[in-house]
Amino acid sequence: GENVEQHPSTLSVQEGDSAVIKCTYSDSASNYFPWYKQELGKRPQLIIDIRSNVGEKKDQRIAVTLNKTAKHFSLHITETQPEDSAVYFCAAIQFQGAQKLVFGQGTRLTINP
Amino acid sequence: EAQVTQNPRYLITVTGKKLTVTCSQNMNHEYMSWYRQDPGLGLRQIYYSMNVEVTDKGDVPEGYKVSRKEKRNFPLILESPSPNQTSLYFCASRFGTEANTGELFFGEGSRLTVL
Repeated sequence: GENVEQHPSTLSVQEGDSAVIKCTYSDSASNYFPWYKQELGKRPQLIIDIRSNVGEKKDQRIAVTLNKTAKHFSLHITETQPEDSAVYFCAAIQFQGAQKLVFGQGTRLTINP
Repeated sequence: EAQVTQNPRYLITVTGKKLTVTCSQNMNHEYMSWYRQDPGLGLRQIYYSMNVEVTDKGDVPEGYKVSRKEKRNFPLILESPSPNQTSLYFCASRFGTEANTGELFFGEGSRLTVL
């Protein structure tokens, strides 16, 4: 089955700097890679996703890149702000298969003022 | 308002006392799933359901049961809870095919403590 590894587990950056979180997956058949943000005491919510036929996707200050050959994908947050502080989860799924969405272990991102 | 509703939100129980956590969604989603969240382990899937009367095990199904008699409801049953089932539980739903967005909508979570 699919296995998703996420690094780092904690990340601290200065406000205004960029943050990068990386994930690797094991199943080359996975074709959908979402990122979820979970603020303290709240539910996870989708912030961006990418499908396997696309190499990069941007939405304002956040972007996701996918390298299918290396089986890894990354979340990039630019010009970080205090409200970006949260736990971020990557995930992978193969829609045509068992449709089990497997999450990474999570990254606690702290933005220092 | 489109939402996934879980109940109870907080529960303290004792070992062996059967309990059910309900989950209901109003978005006509085919796919529903239960996750547990533990520190350092992320979100681990317990069970999922592709549609009514179709359920399958996730990665950590031991000690849990589910049913999907109606499209909108997907209750999680702990027949004989044990302390290692103390956790934060999330129900989630989405459309069933990749033609849709694939976005998973989560409930607010149920924090369960088993003494």
